[in-house]
Amino acid sequence: GEDVEQSLFLSVREGDSSVINCTYTDSSSTYLYWYKQEPGAGLQLLTYIFSNMDMKQDQRLTVLLNKKDKHLSLRIADTQTGDSAIYFCALTSGTYKYIFGTGTRLKVLA
Amino acid sequence: GAGVSQSPSNKVTEKGKDVELRCDPISGHTALYWYRQRLGQGLEFLIYFQGNSAPDKSGLPSDRFSAERTGESVSTLTIQRTQQEDSAVYLCASSPLALNYEQYFGPGTRLTVT
Repeated sequence: GEDVEQSLFLSVREGDSSVINCTYTDSSSTYLYWYKQEPGAGLQLLTYIFSNMDMKQDQRLTVLLNKKDKHLSLRIADTQTGDSAIYFCALTSGTYKYIFGTGTRLKVLA
Repeated sequence: GAGVSQSPSNKVTEKGKDVELRCDPISGHTALYWYRQRLGQGLEFLIYFQGNSAPDKSGLPSDRFSAERTGESVSTLTIQRTQQEDSAVYLCASSPLALNYEQYFGPGTRLTVT
C-alpha cells in the first residue's frame, strides 16, 4: 500500500525558516495536503497542492513538490512560537481515501 | 458555524468493557471519517461514510470495532471488550464531498484502557 514518511522531530529558532519534508511511494497521488495539529486539538488544513504544480505559496507557507523524487516539503518562513505543533502531510489519489504521514513535531525555540 | 464535535473528550475504561464514542459532523457534510491516532504515530483510517452508501469498513482493526451513522448526522464508534492496545486518540472528520475536499477534524476522544 501507500507509504508516506516524515521525520519525527524538527527544532528551529524563532525567526528562522522551517522545512518539513514528506516522501511518498504512490506516483498516482493527485492532491497533496499539509495539516497542522496543535496540542489537544484536531487537524487543521494549512494548504494543499495539486500534482500538476511544482510550487505553491501562501503567505509564510511555501509548498514544493518534486514528483520525480516523490518528495513534498513545507517551508514556514519567519517561524514563530505559535507554529509549534505536529505537521502531517496527506495524499489522495482521486478517491476518498486519504493517506497520512507519521507527522513531524516542530518545536520553535524562543 | 459550529465545527465537528466529539464526545467524550476523554474516556478511561477498564479492559474488557465496551465504549461508545460520538461524533457530530458539520451540518450538510455528507462524508464522515473515523481515524485512530496512537501516541507518536500518524492517523490510521478506520471507517468512511458517504451519504446513504454502504460504509467502507476496511480499516477497522478487528470485529470488536463497529460504527454507525444515520443519514448525514451523528456517528458512533463502538469498541467492544476493550484491550490496552485500543488506547489512542480517536479522531472524526467530516467533509462536504469526499473527493479531494478538505476534511474538517474534531478535537478527538482520548481513550485510555487500564
